[in-house]
Amino acid sequence: QVQLQESGPRLVKPSQTLSLTCTVSSDSFISGDYCWSWVRQPPGRGLEWIGHIHESGRTSYNSSLEGRVTVSFDASTNDFSLILTSLTAADTGVYYCATGDSGSKIGSWGQGTLVTVSS
Amino acid sequence: DVVMTQSPLSLPVTLGQPASISCRSSQSLVYSDGISYLSWFHQRPGQSPRRLIHKASNRDSGVPDRFSGSGSGTYFTLKISRVEAEDVGIYYCMQGTHWPPITFGQGTRLEIK
Repeated sequence: QVQLQESGPRLVKPSQTLSLTCTVSSDSFISGDYCWSWVRQPPGRGLEWIGHIHESGRTSYNSSLEGRVTVSFDASTNDFSLILTSLTAADTGVYYCATGDSGSKIGSWGQGTLVTVSS
Repeated sequence: DVVMTQSPLSLPVTLGQPASISCRSSQSLVYSDGISYLSWFHQRPGQSPRRLIHKASNRDSGVPDRFSGSGSGTYFTLKISRVEAEDVGIYYCMQGTHWPPITFGQGTRLEIK
């Protein structure tokens, strides 16, 4: 069973950059065919996939974020990160890290962290 | 992008009665390996989503057997045989076949009558 925990700032100013980290822990060794994803949820709304990194290092992003997003993986700690630039109020929401095998993509979720973009 | 359309969007159900949610995709979700990468998630208020079903019909570990998933191609269904109070919340379908992007349905809110 994989446990995920998001960390990072709760309040960010418009035009600034958001940086979140997902700390990964597991009861057993994690095999090498996993995707490590970020998903967000605006207040009162549905789920939006932001992007993911495969353990091969290959990344994939939602084009709706227009090149503002970077997902990276730290093999030494098994943590992975999200960077989102040029923030606006529309980026406010709960940010989740998630993981799953390369087929289904998402199975386990972190508890989420609320990020508010406001001056 | 593959559009996922759920119905109904609101589902009032009496305790002990069955419930059914459908999810249609704008393209077939059958991947080259023959598997439909369609998952169902349940999100209780204030909590993160929990996956119930993966690959259209495979129940995740620890999920009660009153939950079942079926379907292939472009039409999928989540069924609850007898609704319990803990089943309230929002249910989402999600496709992982055609990406990027991975896409979710709009969500179906289940409430107890």
